[in-house]
Amino acid sequence: GAGVSQSPSNKVTEKGKDVELRCDPISGHTALYWYRQSLGQGLEFLIYFQGNSAPDKSGLPSDRFSAERTGGSVSTLTIQRTQQEDSAVYLCASSLVPSGTLQETQYFGPGTRLLVL
Amino acid sequence: KQEVTQIPAALSVPEGENLVLNCSFTDSAIYNLQWFRQDPGKGLTSLLLIQSSQREQTSGRLNASLDKSSGRSTLYIAASQPGDSATYLCAVRLDSSYKLIFGSGTRLLVRP
Repeated sequence: GAGVSQSPSNKVTEKGKDVELRCDPISGHTALYWYRQSLGQGLEFLIYFQGNSAPDKSGLPSDRFSAERTGGSVSTLTIQRTQQEDSAVYLCASSLVPSGTLQETQYFGPGTRLLVL
Repeated sequence: KQEVTQIPAALSVPEGENLVLNCSFTDSAIYNLQWFRQDPGKGLTSLLLIQSSQREQTSGRLNASLDKSSGRSTLYIAASQPGDSATYLCAVRLDSSYKLIFGSGTRLLVRP
């Protein structure tokens, strides 16, 4: 079956512009996560959505970052006024059930490579 | 603050060798630990998930162990193949959180 998909796969933008990154989770997965992988650093958690609950935004690095999840499915990560330090691979993951259960394995998308010039 | 460290950062071995990748974490209050594989240009693939109450998990040529009290996990790969070449990441989830905290990974190259 279809896995997690992300678009675009690559994005080059100029400093100061806004960008939107899209994530389509696996159908039926209730939990959705965004992570960022910067060059030379590990993956860092950004935000978590679970059903209709309020998202956990504690990992967002600044107020230039925001995310939404419409209809409990597709999610969009928006970065406003991009900076060069925003350059990274942005990964989305989904899981069948909320974390805390045995079936919480997260399935990752291929990522969006963002380069801010 | 939980920190996850992976050693070595890079490893190159000839095909057929058995090898061990190491992961250590500073806070033993974990809910589970996962090993992932990351191929260039692709996302992460979950290999093994060990709950905190478990000591090891096996899948094919892979075996992962967990020693929660000492804050260590190892991923054992038997009879390595060139197709095993990838970056291997371990990640822990704390008892009180659903966030995964990742190590920086081990880049493995298996030479034909």
